[in-house]
Amino acid sequence: NAGVTQTPKFQVLKTGQSMTLQCAQDMNHNSMYWYRQDPGMGLRLIYYSASEGTTDKGEVPNGYNVSRLNKREFSLRLESAAPSQTSVYFCASRAGTGLGEQYFGPGTRLTVT
Amino acid sequence: EDQVTQSPEALRLQEGESSSLNCSYTVSGLRGLFWYRQDPGKGPEFLFTLYSAGEEKEKERLKATLTKKESFLHITAPKPEDSATYLCAVQAEAGGTSYGKLTFGQGTILTVHP
Repeated sequence: NAGVTQTPKFQVLKTGQSMTLQCAQDMNHNSMYWYRQDPGMGLRLIYYSASEGTTDKGEVPNGYNVSRLNKREFSLRLESAAPSQTSVYFCASRAGTGLGEQYFGPGTRLTVT
Repeated sequence: EDQVTQSPEALRLQEGESSSLNCSYTVSGLRGLFWYRQDPGKGPEFLFTLYSAGEEKEKERLKATLTKKESFLHITAPKPEDSATYLCAVQAEAGGTSYGKLTFGQGTILTVHP
């Protein structure tokens, strides 16, 4: 049982390049989330998927898109990377769609130059 | 707007020196308060969920408590391996929204010296 996995672990992009961050969970959870973590800003929600087939914006969605590929997988895409998107990105999942704890992946450290 | 404030920002303890971390929150109806531990370079690791004022939960040297305005994470006789950043998050009533939005505090960096 791997929990939540993320790839890649590290990535360096040039301004304007695109990439997709991958996330998968093997806990049969319904809800999945993408966060970014920046010094002094805490964890901020980018996008979430309350259940398979649905996605919606969080607090900081600009510059990102997501795809809930199936119940296990939730990807985050940067279409045209900007230096402001340099951050650590975490994927999380939760069993239900109401109350309950979220379980986090190990993170992707992204640098945009 | 939901707000979570953690204090202190950093705490240095000697091994065996007990202390508490604070999480103050302002939400429109608390559904749950969560504590996480985060080690450098890793994702947050779930510790506790508290649902109502007066509730307490324990795990090894850690005990979390909840009042109507704040939560405390008490660390008893800490060891160097307890060194980490401790994050607090709240889930609030949100007009019928049920996607489980969490609002995080900025964390307390705990360092325990041998």
